[in-house]
Amino acid sequence: DIVMTQSPDSLAVSLGERATINCKSSQSILYSSTNRNYLAWYQQKPGQPPNLLIYWASARESGVPDRFSGSGSGTDFTLTISSLQAEDVAVYYCQQYYTTPLTFGQGTRLEIK
Amino acid sequence: QVHLVQSGAEVKKPGASVKVSCKASGYIFSNHGLTWVRQAPGQGLEWMGWISAYNGNTKFPQKLQGRVTMTTDTSTSTAYMELNSLRFDDTAVYYCARGKGYSYEDFLDYWGQGTLVTVSS
Repeated sequence: DIVMTQSPDSLAVSLGERATINCKSSQSILYSSTNRNYLAWYQQKPGQPPNLLIYWASARESGVPDRFSGSGSGTDFTLTISSLQAEDVAVYYCQQYYTTPLTFGQGTRLEIK
Repeated sequence: QVHLVQSGAEVKKPGASVKVSCKASGYIFSNHGLTWVRQAPGQGLEWMGWISAYNGNTKFPQKLQGRVTMTTDTSTSTAYMELNSLRFDDTAVYYCARGKGYSYEDFLDYWGQGTLVTVSS
């Protein structure tokens, strides 16, 4: 199974500042024939299901604010929130869909400093 | 708009079975796969498997093989997940989620509201 490891486990950032969450896969999730990284990012607020933010490592889902961006390739990926808003308080998960079993990172809890 | 509406909370005894439904609307049901994900209290997300709404093909993780069944009813655009031989550590919120495309190797663009399954003696 591909293990997804996020860092840090929790993060406190001031309003308006940048938040960065990292995700590392135990093997490459770049599919060479398509040159696509099979990685997604989700946001989960308390009592709600996860919400898709980013797919193909850097493509923003429709309706997601442009302060959210994804980057990286191969085994190392980053989710960046350029200017933290109060409504961004949540747990963030990365997920690989390169192969089954699909696996998620353990989650990163983002709070306001 | 796309909606996935799941059945209500369940309380089951160890060894029993539970069947959770997920009714889809707002899109062509057979054009997307459906994935089930569970989340134990205070924990992360665990992939439980996938079913094609097109032909009923399924894919499960090895740890759940033989205990989980997934089916669809295309006449009502409803997916079902049944988990047998329930254990205390099956207590979790169970989510259905739509895959963007046909494949089991997919990201999940719409999610149901979740169904809490509690296993208690």
